[in-house]
This record gives sequence, structure tokens and C-alpha cells, in this order.
Amino acid sequence: DAGVIQSPRHEVTEMGQEVTLRCKPISGHNSLFWYRQTMMRGLELLIYFNNNVPIDDSGMPEDRFSAKMPNASFSTLKIQPSEPRDSAVYFCASSQDSRNQPQHFGDGTRLSIL
Amino acid sequence: QQPVQSPQAVILREGEDAVINCSSSKALYSVHWYRQKHGEAPVFLMILLKGGEQKGHDKISASFNEKKQQSSLYLTASQLSYSGTYFCGTEMGTGNQFYFGTGTSLTVIP
Repeated sequence: DAGVIQSPRHEVTEMGQEVTLRCKPISGHNSLFWYRQTMMRGLELLIYFNNNVPIDDSGMPEDRFSAKMPNASFSTLKIQPSEPRDSAVYFCASSQDSRNQPQHFGDGTRLSIL
Repeated sequence: QQPVQSPQAVILREGEDAVINCSSSKALYSVHWYRQKHGEAPVFLMILLKGGEQKGHDKISASFNEKKQQSSLYLTASQLSYSGTYFCGTEMGTGNQFYFGTGTSLTVIP
């Protein structure tokens, strides 16, 4: 079975540009999570969806960040405009339910904002 | 709100045992454990759903003390493949809030 698929794997762009990260969860999973990982702050939950509906976006750092899940098989995380401090590895994870179920992570997107 | 893990880092020789602790200031509903190798994504190890529950996975097991709001991960007879960063993940409150711990770097040497 295919795991969680993220694209792109690497993204390098200049500050001020729009960045869009993409995620395809595991088929049949109804919860999707976006995380950001940095050395300073560790693994932070940005937002999670249950049945395509955003449930908790309290971790989204600023209005420059937005996330959508238009259907059960696709989600995007957008940063506009991007800043150097947004540089991090962004992970997407999915699970069969939002609680008490293992989260399966994608390989991540390594984002560098110059 | 982020759970605190201890120790921050540990170095073991093959065959030695280790314990990693995860403590929360808030009531916990469940605890997840994940391992992340350098440059890779976190990989699920186990979930503990009840207070006092212990689960095992090969030579890796864990306990969950609901009253103390703590969980511990036990690695016995460590192998080189156990090296990585271990994270606890905790569900708190009624709002499905999920937080990963501060992480513990574990290195097993021959």
C-alpha cells in the first residue's frame, strides 16, 4: 500500500514568494495532520483535519499560513508571503481517526527560504 | 504545553538498557511513541490508551501512569538499529490537542 505522499521533497525559494506544499494521505484515513520541524522548536502541529474539515488550527503561526483539504485524498499547506524563518521540514501525517490511532508520516518537504 | 522528555540525549553500548521518560503538566488521554532516524520521517512505535497500561514491541516496551501524567519507554538489550530520536506524543484535554515531546536522542555504539 502507498504511504503518505508529499511533494515537493525539497523547495528552495526567495523570501516573499508563495510556497505550496502538497500531501496525499493514505486511502481510507480520515484524519490529516500538518507538522513543522525545526531544531529550535521541535515537531509542532500546525493544523489537523478530520473528514476534510479543519478541527484545530491553533498551531498555524500567522495569517501567512493557510491549509486546505478539498477532498479526502489531497491537502495543501500554503505560505504567502514566505520568510526565511519559515525554513523547516514540513511533514504531513494521516491516521484512521484523529484520536488514539497511529499517525503515518510522509517523507516531508525540506523548505529553504533565502 | 509541550511534554518534556528526559534525558535529552543518551549513548549506549549494544546490549545495554535505556529508559526514556515523558512528562506532562496536563492530564493525558493517551500517549504515542515514535522514533525518527536522521533525515527521515517519524515512525510509529506504539500507543498507550489507559492509565497504567504497558505495551511491548519486540524489546521495546512502555508504560503509562495516568495519575502522574507520565509515560516511560523501555529499551532492553539495545541494538544498533535503535539509534535515533524518540518522541512521545500526547493527547490532552477534550479538544483533541496533540503535542509531541521535546525528543530524546539515543545513540547505540558497538
